[in-house]
Amino acid sequence: DAGVIQSPRHEVTEMGQEVTLRCKPISGHNSLFWYRQTMMRGLELLIYFNNNVPIDDSGMPEDRFSAKMPNASFSTLKIQPSEPRDSAVYFCASSPGPPTGKLFFGSGTQLSVL
Amino acid sequence: EDKVVQSPLSLVVHEGDTVTLNCSYEVTNFRSLLWYKQEKKAPTFLFMLTSSGIEKKSGRLSSILDKKELFSILNITATQTGDSAVYLCAVGNNAGNMLTFGGGTRLMVKP
Repeated sequence: DAGVIQSPRHEVTEMGQEVTLRCKPISGHNSLFWYRQTMMRGLELLIYFNNNVPIDDSGMPEDRFSAKMPNASFSTLKIQPSEPRDSAVYFCASSPGPPTGKLFFGSGTQLSVL
Repeated sequence: EDKVVQSPLSLVVHEGDTVTLNCSYEVTNFRSLLWYKQEKKAPTFLFMLTSSGIEKKSGRLSSILDKKELFSILNITATQTGDSAVYLCAVGNNAGNMLTFGGGTRLMVKP
């Protein structure tokens, strides 16, 4: 299995631009998570999908952030407009079982907003 | 709100030393506690603990959970430079919510 696949690996953009991060979960996993990691705040959950349906998006910072999961094999996290404080590593993770079981993480997208 | 606190924040040891990493938590309706190792990129799974007093072991790494005192420890014996990483602790509850991660312990093992 290829594991959780994220793209791009790195993204550098200017403030105000739209950013789209992509994730392909492990086949057969029915839970998908988007996390953000910074030195100051550690790993923070942004949103959680179960069977393609958003279950909890209370971690999404503000309206500039949106996430979709149109099918079981693809999810996007969009930031529009981006701001320098959005600079972080964004991880996607998937899980085969209950949400509090084992998560499999992708390699992350390093986002820098200038 | 669920809370996970890890200590120490960082640790520097020499190869061959034994280290103990700590994780304390506050969670409503505890379900599981997980340990992850994060080197350069993605966190990778180490252990999942659900019951008190049962040690989980994998090679030189072991972990145990105390649900009465609300903490877990991760032990690494005979450390190697490849053990250098950030070790993350996370807890989940029965409410169907997601994992809450601690801030991690950064371990550096010197040759």
